[in-house]
This record gives sequence, structure tokens and C-alpha cells, in this order.
Amino acid sequence: GAGVSQSPSNKVTEKGKDVELRCDPISGHTALYWYRQRLGQGLEFLIYFQGNSAPDKSGLPSDRFSAERTGESVSTLTIQRTQQEDSAVYLCASSLYGAGEQYFGPGTRLTVT
Amino acid sequence: DQQVKQNSPSLSVQEGRISILNCDYTNSMFDYFLWYKKYPAEGPTFLISISSIKDKNEDGRFTVFLNKSAKHLSLHIVPSQPGDSAVYFCAASGSSGTYKYIFGTGTRLKVLA
Repeated sequence: GAGVSQSPSNKVTEKGKDVELRCDPISGHTALYWYRQRLGQGLEFLIYFQGNSAPDKSGLPSDRFSAERTGESVSTLTIQRTQQEDSAVYLCASSLYGAGEQYFGPGTRLTVT
Repeated sequence: DQQVKQNSPSLSVQEGRISILNCDYTNSMFDYFLWYKKYPAEGPTFLISISSIKDKNEDGRFTVFLNKSAKHLSLHIVPSQPGDSAVYFCAASGSSGTYKYIFGTGTRLKVLA
């Protein structure tokens, strides 16, 4: 079956522009996660969606970051007024239920110039 | 403050020999640990996990050891194969029922043919 997909795979943007990253989780997975991996760093938790529950946004680094999820399907991560320190690989993962094994997408490499 | 640390950024091992990847953690509340493997341009994939009620978990060529008193875990790969060349991340969580994993910075393993 299809795994987690993310688009675009690469995004180069100018400082100050907004970007939108997309994640398509595995069908039937109720939980969805966003992570960020900066160069030389581990995966940093950003946000968690579980079904219709309120998302856990505790990992979002600033109010320039937001994410939405439509039901139990697609999620978009939006970064407004991008800064150079936002350059990273943004990874999405989904799991059948919260706390289950997480399946990762290939990531979106964001470069802010 | 890095709660999960992988102090070796890289490791080279001859094919057929043992690979030992190490991970240290600081939070004594962590009680569930995982290892993920990541190939270039792909998302991390789950490899093996261990709960704090155990000190060893084995799956084929992969064995994870947990030393709770030392707050240390290790992943042993025996025998190592060239296809094992990847970045390995350890991750920890506060319980097997939580979705928030804290990831280490990764160790790049290169298995030499």
C-alpha cells in the first residue's frame, strides 16, 4: 500500500515569503505528526493530530508556524514570513493510532535564502 | 538541552563484523525507547524498540540493550551488511502510551564491503 507522501520534496524560498508544505498520511491512520530536522540535529517534534481531538501544538517554535488537518487525511504545515533559521527538512509521520509505530514520509527540504 | 544524545556522529565497520551504536538519555522518566533507520532522501523507518521492563530485545540481526541505571541503550547489528549503511536515530518517550518521542541527533553507519 501507499506510504506517507509529502510535497514538495524540495522548496527554495526567499526570506519573508510564506510556504505551505503538504502531507498525505497512510489511509486509515488517525494520528499525524510533523517534525523538523535541522542540519546536524535530531528530529524536533512540532505538532500532533489525533482524530477529531484538539491538536498538540506544543512543539511549534513560533506563531509563524501553523498546521491544519482535514479530518483524518491531508495535513498542511504553513510557515509565514520565513526566516533563514527555518531552513530544515520537515518530516511528516502517521500512525494507526496515537502512540503506535510512526511511519515517516520522505520529507520536504526547505531552504530559505 | 539535549535529553537524548548520540555522541558518535559516524561509525565505520567492516562487513560481517558487529556494529554497536550508542545512545544516552538524561530523563529518568523515559521508559520506552526506539531505534529508527534513515536512508538518504527517505523518511526514517522503525527498526526495533524496547520497554524499560526489559534489558534486551532481539529481532534477527538487531539487538537493543538497555541499561537503566546508566541511562544508556545500544543497538547491536550482527553481522553488519553494506545495506545497513544509513543514519540511525534513537528515540525515547515517557511511556509506551505516549506519542511524543524525543530523538537523538543520529549516527551515520557505514559498512565497508
